Amino acid sequence: QLQLQESGPGLVKPSETLSLTCTVSGGPISRTNYFWGWIRQPPGKGLEWIGSFAYSVSTYYNPSLKSRVTISVDTSKNQFSLKLTSVTAADTAVYYCARNYCSSSSCFPNFDYWGQGTLVTVSA
Amino acid sequence: QSALTQPPSASGSPGQSVTISCTGTSSDVGAYNYVSWYQQHPGKAPKLMIYEVIKRPSGVPDRFSGSKSGNTASLTVSGLQAEDEADYYCSSYAGSNNPVVFGGGTKLTVL
Repeated sequence: QLQLQESGPGLVKPSETLSLTCTVSGGPISRTNYFWGWIRQPPGKGLEWIGSFAYSVSTYYNPSLKSRVTISVDTSKNQFSLKLTSVTAADTAVYYCARNYCSSSSCFPNFDYWGQGTLVTVSA
Repeated sequence: QSALTQPPSASGSPGQSVTISCTGTSSDVGAYNYVSWYQQHPGKAPKLMIYEVIKRPSGVPDRFSGSKSGNTASLTVSGLQAEDEADYYCSSYAGSNNPVVFGGGTKLTVL
């Protein structure tokens, strides 16, 4: 059974960099027929896609966040990471990592496995 | 402001059917048959209920069905049960420059 688990600081100061890691168990993230991504949800609000990647294939970012976001991968640890720079209070949210299920025709927007989410608060 | 428009709330009594709409544009919902629906209970991660407009992942009850007409996709929940009370989000592919857009969510209340 595939499992995803987010980890990282729960509190980040304004203007600093938010860094989170997603550890995947139950399957390799290096398989190129899956995308892996990050989605966030501000308290009491809706979902916002941040970005997704497929190992050695491609990486896609939300255009509204692209200038501040980097997603990287460590296949030796079966982990992928999110870095979001110059954070403000608007970046306070529950951050989820998830897998994109790829059917025969599309990988988006099918997120079939999710982590439990981790709350990151941006505050001085 | 979300890219896709959903009604903020919907409701129905047990056993009834409820339909939730998701309106996009000719660049997302109207352009591709790649619409997904997610169910989210309070404090939990979203769960994929429908993908590619009409397909159900294994384990999702057939009480949940999806459809699309033009720029509007819909999720219908038939035979409402208490456990269906949750937030529901639609999502659509919107092209390679912005592959994933979400709706603002609909809170479904089972009366």
